[in-house]
Amino acid sequence: QQQVRQSSQSLTVWEGETAILNCSYENSAFDYFPWYQQFPGEGPALLIAIRSVSDKKEDGRFTIFFNKREKNLSLHIKDSQPGDSATYFCGTGANTGKLTFGHGTILRVHP
Amino acid sequence: ETAVFQTPNYHVTQVGNEVSFNCKQTLGHDTMYWYKQDSKKLLKIMFSYNNKQLIVNETVPRRFSPQSSDKAHLNLRIKSVEPEDSAVYLCASSYRQGAETLYFGSGTRLTVL
Repeated sequence: QQQVRQSSQSLTVWEGETAILNCSYENSAFDYFPWYQQFPGEGPALLIAIRSVSDKKEDGRFTIFFNKREKNLSLHIKDSQPGDSATYFCGTGANTGKLTFGHGTILRVHP
Repeated sequence: ETAVFQTPNYHVTQVGNEVSFNCKQTLGHDTMYWYKQDSKKLLKIMFSYNNKQLIVNETVPRRFSPQSSDKAHLNLRIKSVEPEDSAVYLCASSYRQGAETLYFGSGTRLTVL
């Protein structure tokens, strides 16, 4: 049973566009939703995270929009740059500290 | 700046052999993890340790055994590897049990021929 689903396996955008990566989850008990970024040959690294009490979290060019009722969230990358090309993982967690990840979305930003 | 170190980076072996992977974190964290990333990039937790004690042991084959000598080190041994064990094994740490931010190493890529 896949508890976290990322709707796109891959996404391609042009430099300067806004990339939108979508994620949905099943367990209402989850209250913490991080996005991790992974470059080839490296481990994932935390990019931005949101808690279920909020519906939006912004950090520079990266914004999470969260819809608790629909159990989905999205990561918006404004003004995408070629250096943003990476795999993005949506994660979910509760206070156990155990994170469950989606399959990841490979983002390619063309110059 | 890398603070979770994994060795080796790559390992190629044959079915039935035993392999060991090492992980060390210099962040002073209490909790460490092993994740498996398969060929489709799915990340799945295998084990977590808190201060040398096993906390989480997901359903993994018994040929996998984690070992922790202190809270900064967490190794993974695989007895008698199988082809489906080919994957990237990622070590991670967090400040404490229940802390949400994971700090990952760069992984060990295992190929089983």
